[in-house]
Amino acid sequence: DAKTTQPPSMDCAEGRAANLPCNHSTISGNEYVYWYRQIHSQGPQYIIHGLKNNETNEMASLIITEDRKSSTLILPHATLRDTAVYYCIALSNSGYALNFGKGTSLLVTP
Amino acid sequence: GAGVSQSPSNKVTEKGKDVELRCDPISGHTALYWYRQSLGQGLEFLIYFQGNSAPDKSGLPSDRFSAERTGGSVSTLTIQRTQQEDSAVYLCASSSRAGQGYEKLFFGSGTQLSVL
Repeated sequence: DAKTTQPPSMDCAEGRAANLPCNHSTISGNEYVYWYRQIHSQGPQYIIHGLKNNETNEMASLIITEDRKSSTLILPHATLRDTAVYYCIALSNSGYALNFGKGTSLLVTP
Repeated sequence: GAGVSQSPSNKVTEKGKDVELRCDPISGHTALYWYRQSLGQGLEFLIYFQGNSAPDKSGLPSDRFSAERTGGSVSTLTIQRTQQEDSAVYLCASSSRAGQGYEKLFFGSGTQLSVL
């Protein structure tokens, strides 16, 4: 499964959109992009996934570039409760999640 | 239960003792994972069970670590002769592997292991 690269940390003001980037330049055609987040002292929580089309659910939007080499998770109106570590992973349907990297630590400030 | 349940939530042990960590996956989920998360680090894959297939043990750091999954449901991670470097949060996750082409993992809250 493709390696992903994320910035170690980001800040966002409460109420603003948080845009979290992920690079997955070696992604193959059958690999999905998944996002999870981990709030302090809890297990990670699934947020969203996509293959090539942009996706939206009640938690976030996922924008995948046309060449699929990168993606952006968008939290449209960040709240203090969105402060967490966000993990981006690429996974095929025949594979299974191996290591999650260190992700991006998002701090939402008042 | 409604989610993945792990017990105990906290475990303090002395160096050299054996510990057992338990995971109850979501009912019907055929895939089960164990991960380890040291302070400030990402999630380190340990072992993966899928149905009746042989587990993928490639992430186990040493032969002191072992895991079983009985009856395709409950799993136990055993660490023998614990060392201080084993101190970490041990996370369990399960998924349905429903063949939809994608997979959502559901995580438990973890077991915080402290080896003194």
